[in-house]
Amino acid sequence: EVQLVESGGELVRPGGSLRLSCSASGFIFANYAMYWVRQAPGRALEFVSAISRTGDATYYADSMKGRSTVFRDDSKDTLYLHIGSLRPEDTAVYYCAKQTHRTGYYGFDYWGRGTLVTVS
Amino acid sequence: TTLSQSPAFVSATPGDTVTISCKASQAIDDDVNWYRQKPGEPILFLIQEATTLAPGIPPRFTGSGYGTDFTLTIYDTESEDAGYYFCLQHDNFPYTFGQGTRLEIK
Repeated sequence: EVQLVESGGELVRPGGSLRLSCSASGFIFANYAMYWVRQAPGRALEFVSAISRTGDATYYADSMKGRSTVFRDDSKDTLYLHIGSLRPEDTAVYYCAKQTHRTGYYGFDYWGRGTLVTVS
Repeated sequence: TTLSQSPAFVSATPGDTVTISCKASQAIDDDVNWYRQKPGEPILFLIQEATTLAPGIPPRFTGSGYGTDFTLTIYDTESEDAGYYFCLQHDNFPYTFGQGTRLEIK
């Protein structure tokens, strides 16, 4: 059974930083591109970041460029997102998601339950 | 690419057919997925590449469309279909989502 479990969300002061983790199981983590998506309270979902299955290509939302880094540790089956210079508008539940296909860039088939980041 | 999803809210009674639309601001082939979100549950994958049913999803759920106009249709709705439905375009980065549709089953 595929499972994605996010952690690392907490209450942070504006200007602070944190690192989110997503522990994966039930599939060969190294074979899939992975994603971070967030949802602010009462708002639609928003793409945050993506990383290729090899880790050599990354993509970010404009709002995250320059202050966030996505990376993966395939030896630990874990996806990470480091966010710096946090702003109140970064307050959201952060989800990680697994891509449907092993190659290219596609949508997601599995999502974690999310981790809450509060910037205040 | 902006996705304009409508309606924002729809109320149905069991057995009704419900249609949700997503319109893309530019052509995106069939690179649209559909999902449902319910409180306390993981987000559920419904449809990929506009028309392909995800594993385990009943055929009451149907996706259609290509280019800029996409539709999710739920036939013979059941009480368990209540939730928040949204579309995702994965044609280009940054991926974008529709604003969502809340489906109420009376």
